[in-house]
Amino acid sequence: GAVVSQHPSWVICKSGTSVKIECRSLDFQATTMFWYRQFPKQSLMLMATSNEGSKATYEQGVEKDKFLINHASLTLSTLTVTSAHPEDSSFYICSALGEREETQYFGPGTRLLVL
Amino acid sequence: GEDVEQSLFLSVREGDSSVINCTYTDSSSTYLYWYKQEPGAGLQLLTYIFSNMDMKQDQRLTVLLNKKDKHLSLRIADTQTGDSAIYFCAESIGSNDYKLSFGAGTTVTVRA
Repeated sequence: GAVVSQHPSWVICKSGTSVKIECRSLDFQATTMFWYRQFPKQSLMLMATSNEGSKATYEQGVEKDKFLINHASLTLSTLTVTSAHPEDSSFYICSALGEREETQYFGPGTRLLVL
Repeated sequence: GEDVEQSLFLSVREGDSSVINCTYTDSSSTYLYWYKQEPGAGLQLLTYIFSNMDMKQDQRLTVLLNKKDKHLSLRIADTQTGDSAIYFCAESIGSNDYKLSFGAGTTVTVRA
């Protein structure tokens, strides 16, 4: 149990386009999901907390208009990188808080390359 | 603020024990976690320890917590080649038990 999927697993796009990444909890409901960004050989940096049915809470320094988060159902949160630029290239990982809020379950990550 | 520090690299011979160390700063952390990340993959929860515990053992994994020194360690007994990965220490932040602050990760390389 407690499986989280992400789609796509990798994406290459042109500078200026928008990219949507999906995060799904497959066998449990998640009122809270998290989006992280990981640069090569670095730790995960929390970008935002996504709450079902309400606005996401962004960490300091993360542009909410750049990284749009929608948590429209108890099993799906989406992250849209708008007007992507090469510096947005990174590994994006989502996680979902377990139903008993015991821990976060992580997705496999999405690698974004902006050309 | 939250700051989790780990050594960056560890090389260990197959069959030996690995010990990965971590220090953290938030004394109000309720939980401390160890995650494993294999190349190109997301994070897999290995184990976690509640802050009022000193030790937790789970098969080949032993977690030791020194709350006074804010020091956490993960020992992997009989290390195997499949244990080669990046290991992240994480602490829960303040009163938000589920909001995590991660260390930079320790890359463990198991050599034959």
